[in-house]
Amino acid sequence: AQSVTQLDSQVPVFEEAPVELRCNYSSSVSVYLFWYVQYPNQGLQLLLKYLSGSTLVKGINGFEAEFNKSQTSFHLRKPSVHISDTAEYFCAVSEPNFGNEKLTFGTGTRLTIIP
Amino acid sequence: KAGVTQTPRYLIKTRGQQVTLSCSPISGHRSVSWYQQTPGQGLQFLFEYFSETQRNKGNFPGRFSGRQFSNSRSEMNVSTLELGDSALYLCASSPGQVYNEQFFGPGTRLTVL
Repeated sequence: AQSVTQLDSQVPVFEEAPVELRCNYSSSVSVYLFWYVQYPNQGLQLLLKYLSGSTLVKGINGFEAEFNKSQTSFHLRKPSVHISDTAEYFCAVSEPNFGNEKLTFGTGTRLTIIP
Repeated sequence: KAGVTQTPRYLIKTRGQQVTLSCSPISGHRSVSWYQQTPGQGLQFLFEYFSETQRNKGNFPGRFSGRQFSNSRSEMNVSTLELGDSALYLCASSPGQVYNEQFFGPGTRLTVL
């Protein structure tokens, strides 16, 4: 069975500083990996995804993530954060299944930007 | 294209009642998935429907059920509500063939008193 671990429940960062949100996964087969962002009182928005190919994935809002198969990690990074990045971030994994993929989410990391 | 819509956005019920939540997917999407989000358990997969058939199911009791109509709209029903059913229920749609990104709606906030 697949699982996702987000070790940091809360991450405070000063504005314009870099940030890394950590994500580790467990699966017995190849996986698809995702990062979603959730703003208050909203649904989830996809930031980026890894399906195959290049291990460095670039997403929206200046975020990127690197798939590391040997360390089973998919950490999210941004070189310079803004106040508007304050939100909850979820890492998710699914196993390829011909369109029948279900997402397994981590517990989330609340990113707080300090002015 | 219009996004995924969920109705109602907020709902208050009492223990023992039942509730029906509705989800309208993006036009052309045939797959609808439902997730429950709570502070204690996080985001958990409930079930997924594709072309009116349940294709995948999470580990929830039988009180949680769903269905999908021929226009791909989906409903989720929870019977005999418990306090622990208070949550944000999220619906996501996708085309549903090979891998497709899931697009999430804003959710329905259910409070059980």
